[in-house]
Amino acid sequence: DTGVSQNPRHKITKRGQNVTFRCDPISEHNRLYWYRQTLGQGPEFLTYFQNEAQLEKSRLLSDRFSAERPKGSFSTLEIQRTEQGDSAMYLCASSVPTGLREKLFFGSGTQLSVL
Amino acid sequence: DQQVKQNSPSLSVQEGRISILNCDYTNSMFDYFLWYKKYPAEGPTFLISISSIKDKNEDGRFTVFLNKSAKHLSLHIVPSQPGDSAVYFCAASSAGNMLTFGGGTRLMVKP
Repeated sequence: DTGVSQNPRHKITKRGQNVTFRCDPISEHNRLYWYRQTLGQGPEFLTYFQNEAQLEKSRLLSDRFSAERPKGSFSTLEIQRTEQGDSAMYLCASSVPTGLREKLFFGSGTQLSVL
Repeated sequence: DQQVKQNSPSLSVQEGRISILNCDYTNSMFDYFLWYKKYPAEGPTFLISISSIKDKNEDGRFTVFLNKSAKHLSLHIVPSQPGDSAVYFCAASSAGNMLTFGGGTRLMVKP
């Protein structure tokens, strides 16, 4: 399978705990994106990387959220001190930008439930 | 503020008929528009796109129309099939920036 892979598929945690999600993009894609989707809404942009450089992080929801892509391959998204409002689907996508025409390929997401 | 809006949360269509999904945007800087389809428990998958230099793009049963003056685009599916039942998201971007998504429309195609 050469698509975008996300792990775990589901995560249940207690409020106050830290969680980390992993995303493995399509191998030749140098851009990697994190989005969040809540019920009944479209995906909401959080942050993105070009290779290992995080080019946009102002949309991360709070300082409890952080993302890394240390070697320009896989990425992790960490949420510290989780709150019930963090419950959502966290989606990763990757792409190879070709001029203005960027098409994102999404993984199946990690569904987070904070109890 | 919602820069991309899909005002119909759901749409029900009979198999074989046309499905028309609508999307409105407010940012005049958007120059690239996409439609994604999402099944339950899966990530969105790319369906079709259109650049702002065009007003129509067709791919098999799927056609996207862009009306720049009205800041409106639509996705036509004809003929609709039960396997088309999914949530459809409209998305837009400007100058290669990140995609901004609408809230989605759930399409149900009845056999």
